[in-house]
This record gives sequence, C-alpha cells and structure tokens, in this order.
Amino acid sequence: AQSVTQLGSHVSVSEGALVLLRCNYSSSVPPYLFWYVQYPNQGLQLLLKYTSAATLVKGINGFEAEFKKSETSFHLTKPSAHMSDAAEYFCAVSDTPNTDKLIFGTGTRLQVFP
Amino acid sequence: EADIYQTPRYLVIGTGKKITLECSQTMGHDKMYWYQQDPGMELHLIHYSYGVNSTEKGDLSSESTVSRIRTEHFPLTLESARPSHTSQYLCASQTGDYGYTFGSGTRLTVV
Repeated sequence: AQSVTQLGSHVSVSEGALVLLRCNYSSSVPPYLFWYVQYPNQGLQLLLKYTSAATLVKGINGFEAEFKKSETSFHLTKPSAHMSDAAEYFCAVSDTPNTDKLIFGTGTRLQVFP
Repeated sequence: EADIYQTPRYLVIGTGKKITLECSQTMGHDKMYWYQQDPGMELHLIHYSYGVNSTEKGDLSSESTVSRIRTEHFPLTLESARPSHTSQYLCASQTGDYGYTFGSGTRLTVV
C-alpha cells in the first residue's frame, strides 16, 4: 500500500532562510507525488506535483521539490522564507496516473519568524 | 475565488441529531471526494464518487453516507451525530491530472 511520511510535525525558520520540508514515500509502483498547502481555516491548495516527467518540479509561490527515487524522497524547498509562507504543508501520493484517491501525510506546520 | 463550496463552515450540534454537510462545485468535475481531517493528523478518505449515482466508501470507515444525484452536488449525511464525529470534513473534486480542488471545509463539533 502506498504511504507518505513527513518528518517533523513542526518546522520553524527565520524570514529569508531556507525552507526544507521532508517527505518520504512508500510505493510499489511508480508514484505520483504532490505537495499541498493549507492556510488557517481554509481548504488545501495544490503547490506542485510530480507525474514522472522532470524530477525537479517547480510550483507556486517559489516552492520546488525534487523526486529522488534512490532515496524515496520528495522534499519541498524554498530558498527564502516569507512570513506569508506560514501554513500547514501536506505531502500526498497516488499510484494511479489520474491521481485518484490521494493518500496524505500527517502534515508539517511551518512557522516563519521575523 | 473558490469553485467548490462547502456549507456550513462551522457547525455545533447535539448528540443524536441528523446533519447534512453540503458540497457543491461549478467546474463540471466527475470525481468528488470527502476527507476527514483531525488536528495534527493526516487526511483520511471516507467517501468518493466517479459520477452521478456512483458512490464508494474510502479507506477510513465512516458512519456517514453520501449521495450523488447531480454532478455538481455531493452531500454527506450523518443520521445520528456522536462526539466521535467531531472533526473537520473536506470536500474535493478532480478532473484529469490537474490535482484536487478543495473546499474550505466544515468544522463539525458534536456536543
């Protein structure tokens, strides 16, 4: 069965610092991987997705993620954190090409300090 | 601007009451989903639908039921609410490989 593990339920960075949110996946088939962001009292918004094309995926708001099969990882990064990046981030996996029935990780809460 | 709408946003209700959480989308998507989200926990799929008159249970067992009579409408019903049903319920829709579009969620508290 597919699953994702997000290391670190809370991550704190200073404004302008590098953001690194970790996600490792488990899948018996080539996975399709996603990062979503959830701001307080809102639904989830798609940041980026990997669907077996380029291994480095660029998303919205300056975020990007790199698919590393050898490490079964899909970590999310942003070179310079902004206060507005404070939110909950979810990694998700699907084993179907049409990205059906996503399986989500437990989430990582990102805090950004001035 | 959201294309998928959930109402109510917040609901506090007594034990034993029947409730319906509404979810509507204006994008013509065939596939729709309900996820349950507890604080600090991952989202769990509880129901999904691939189109009108198609509904299936998800990976997490739930006492709720759903219906899909119209493409745009995917309501979730609890016949008799209990405190264990207290959670956030998120509705989503999807077409092709464009990922999910989520509603803002309904935060349910059963007292």
